[in-house]
Amino acid sequence: DTGVSQDPRHKITKRGQNVTFRCDPISEHNRLYWYRQTLGQGPEFLTYFQNEAQLEKSRLLSDRFSAERPKGSFSTLEIQRTEQGDSAMYLCASSQYGPNEQFFGPGTRLTVL
Amino acid sequence: GIQVEQSPPDLILQEGANSTLRCNFSDSVNNLQWFHQNPWGQLINLFYIPSGTKQNGRLSATTVATERYSLLYISSSQTTDSGVYFCAPRDKIIFGKGTRLHILP
Repeated sequence: DTGVSQDPRHKITKRGQNVTFRCDPISEHNRLYWYRQTLGQGPEFLTYFQNEAQLEKSRLLSDRFSAERPKGSFSTLEIQRTEQGDSAMYLCASSQYGPNEQFFGPGTRLTVL
Repeated sequence: GIQVEQSPPDLILQEGANSTLRCNFSDSVNNLQWFHQNPWGQLINLFYIPSGTKQNGRLSATTVATERYSLLYISSSQTTDSGVYFCAPRDKIIFGKGTRLHILP
């Protein structure tokens, strides 16, 4: 399978805990995007990378959110001190350089109790 | 920033019916994608269509960039077409709120 993969698929955590999600893009894609999707809404853009450079992070929801892509391959999204409002689906997508077609992973569903 | 509006927000049809979904955007865009989100949450690429018309089986899409809209046509609907359809101008990294389609057997 050469599509975008995400891990874990589901995460249940208690409020105040830190969580980290992983995304593995399609191998030849140098752009990687993170989105959040809440019930009944479209995906909401959070941040994106071109190779290892994070080109846009102003839309990260708060300073509790951070993302990395240290070697320009897989990426991680971390949420510190989780809150119940962080419960959502977190989606990762990848594309080749430029505004080219994006391909999405299956998502990580986060539930904060 | 750019606004993306999709209509109708909800659509219920009988199996075999045809439908047209619309995506309006408030500013010019260079590229547009249509996605189908299945009941498990997976976003499936349907079309990448900056302008013109593309067809794939029972589905086709038309984008008129100069008039800032795109249409997705679904013919002879099947129950597996149910789900949420999103449009997204690629260079603006923004999604519409989607059209929720429910096909009744």
